[in-house]
Amino acid sequence: EVQVVESGGGLVQPGGSLRLSCVVSRFTFSSYWMSWVRQAPGKGLEWVANIRHDGSEKYYVDSVKGRFTFSTDNTKNSLYLHMNSLRVEDTAIYYCARLDEMIRGDMHYFYMDVWGKGTTVTVSS
Amino acid sequence: DIQMTQSPSSLSASVGDRVTITCRASQIIRGNLNWYQQKPGQTPALLIYATSRLQSGVPSRFSGSGSGTGFTLTISGLQPEDSATYYCQQSYDVPYSFGQGTKLEIE
Repeated sequence: EVQVVESGGGLVQPGGSLRLSCVVSRFTFSSYWMSWVRQAPGKGLEWVANIRHDGSEKYYVDSVKGRFTFSTDNTKNSLYLHMNSLRVEDTAIYYCARLDEMIRGDMHYFYMDVWGKGTTVTVSS
Repeated sequence: DIQMTQSPSSLSASVGDRVTITCRASQIIRGNLNWYQQKPGQTPALLIYATSRLQSGVPSRFSGSGSGTGFTLTISGLQPEDSATYYCQQSYDVPYSFGQGTKLEIE
């Protein structure tokens, strides 16, 4: 079964750092973009970042730019979200998701088709 | 940035009903619209991608339509297990954005 599994969440003080990991299995990691999406307690979904499989392109939501960094290790089928200068408002469940792509003519349609169960980040003093 | 607005924010319906959820984008997104279902305490799951394409394994009572800036998710013949929150999401341009969600309750 195609799978993604996140880990690395925890309790951290404001200003602290965490590294989230996402390990993928049963699909060719090097063929896909990947995404991080977060969900604050009782709130909706918020896209955080995308990374191309080779790491050549990365995109972030403005609220995390300069603080979060996305990296990959294709040899381990893993990707990482390095989170620095954490704020209370970063408290959320962080989901890793595979970004699949359908091409029709000149259009590329992207969608998150495989999701992990998430890892919880709590930023609090 | 593209803003996504869903309506209604919540609704209640009965088993067997047909319900429609609407999603509007702040600019044309050329069909790059996806729908996700999230049941309480669970991970989001893809239902519909590219406006109208049914994800593998999703029941055929779910359907999507739309173009330009307006899109709909329709559930025909509601089942008790459809009780969930539904999100639309645009993947036309980064930053990707989700609608605020529609909570569907089955009476």
